[in-house]
Amino acid sequence: DAKTTQPPSMDCAEGRAANLPCNHSTISGNEYVYWYRQIHSQGPQYIIHGLKNNETNEMASLIITEDRKSSTLILPHAPLRDTAVYYCIVRGTSYDKVIFGPGTSLSVIP
Amino acid sequence: NAGVTQTPKFQVLKTGQSMTLQCAQDMNHEYMSWYRQDPGMGLRLIHYSVGAGITDQGEVPNGYNVSRSTTEDFPLRLLSAAPSQTSVYFCASSASRGRVLETQYFGPGTRLLVL
Repeated sequence: DAKTTQPPSMDCAEGRAANLPCNHSTISGNEYVYWYRQIHSQGPQYIIHGLKNNETNEMASLIITEDRKSSTLILPHAPLRDTAVYYCIVRGTSYDKVIFGPGTSLSVIP
Repeated sequence: NAGVTQTPKFQVLKTGQSMTLQCAQDMNHEYMSWYRQDPGMGLRLIHYSVGAGITDQGEVPNGYNVSRSTTEDFPLRLLSAAPSQTSVYFCASSASRGRVLETQYFGPGTRLLVL
């Protein structure tokens, strides 16, 4: 089973920030939080990952709570093309299998 | 680099037929995996491999076989196709350096219809 829980769907107005939550209450100390997205029927695309510090890249920001039991992916000024399914995953070593949950379907609305 | 390639892009099979879905990567990645995605659903892990000669089962391995004779290739075999195996199949790979994590790269997918 997936180690994360996410809301099944969310809406966001075009140009506004989209905040996607993820709960991972059973995360262990060596597990990272990864975010991927899948646009329509394409293969999933990596967005960002982090261990315990907040992270930012050209696509998004990742905020991880101090107890690491939850995180939020922030898409600043979301354009229409950010409409996709977003997956939050926890993974320890690179030998661990990667399990996807159902994700959050984000709709960016004009 | 071509990244992760999958062949064929589309396939129609009759119940009981067997076939092999091909997956190749040219990034020298140790970790490779296969997922299936049914309409409106998330990805489910079928099998994965952490290196040549090493494979393990994922969430839904029944009806599928894999082998990893080289680092580059990770074929998925359907032994006797069933309509329940109608799905989109994604292959993924990532580098594997122990505690250093790498992101996964996904192929474009193979759309399989079993009649």
